[in-house]
Amino acid sequence: DAGVTQSPTHLIKTRGQQVTLRCSPKSGHDTVSWYQQALGQGPQFIFQYYEEEERQRGNFPDRFSGHQFPNYSSELNVNALLLGDSALYLCASSLEGLGTEAFFGQGTRLTVV
Amino acid sequence: GENVEQHPSTLSVQEGDSAVIKCTYSDSASNYFPWYKQELGKRPQLIIDIRSNVGEKKDQRIAVTLNKTAKHFSLHITETQPEDSAVYFCAAPIHNNDMRFGAGTRLTVKP
Repeated sequence: DAGVTQSPTHLIKTRGQQVTLRCSPKSGHDTVSWYQQALGQGPQFIFQYYEEEERQRGNFPDRFSGHQFPNYSSELNVNALLLGDSALYLCASSLEGLGTEAFFGQGTRLTVV
Repeated sequence: GENVEQHPSTLSVQEGDSAVIKCTYSDSASNYFPWYKQELGKRPQLIIDIRSNVGEKKDQRIAVTLNKTAKHFSLHITETQPEDSAVYFCAAPIHNNDMRFGAGTRLTVKP
């Protein structure tokens, strides 16, 4: 079991560009949540996907969008990148149900220049 | 707004001493409270969690206590070791699926 895997591990983009980050959940998990973690801060909830639909969303603008595929993997897309979007983006997978353990991927370090 | 407050932001203890980190939450419907440990450059790792039907849970040197009436829960680490040095995050679900994290506590254990 590879656990939660994310790609790429590091990425540098220019302001105004678009980026797509990918996440493969832990085997058997059907729910994927995305978080943004700025340096020295706790993870901030972006949104959660279940059954290929966005189920809940945090306080992030529409520039942040996502998708979940039938195999439960997920993508996070960010359009019109800003310098402030530079952060570690974490994906966490879990099994549907309230109060189930979430496992994190190693994250994608996005730098916007 | 609805969030999770965590204190202290930094904590320095001598090896062998105990460390306590506290979190408060706002959603009275929250019923699952995990604690994560994040070492520098690594992903958050779940170290212990508690559900609202119990008041305390212990796993070797780590324990978590929950006070649902006061809406706060705490992480206790006894007999601290240098390898316990990391950033610790508490979390609580808001509106069921939105897991909100505290801002983190940087724990330093001095040998």
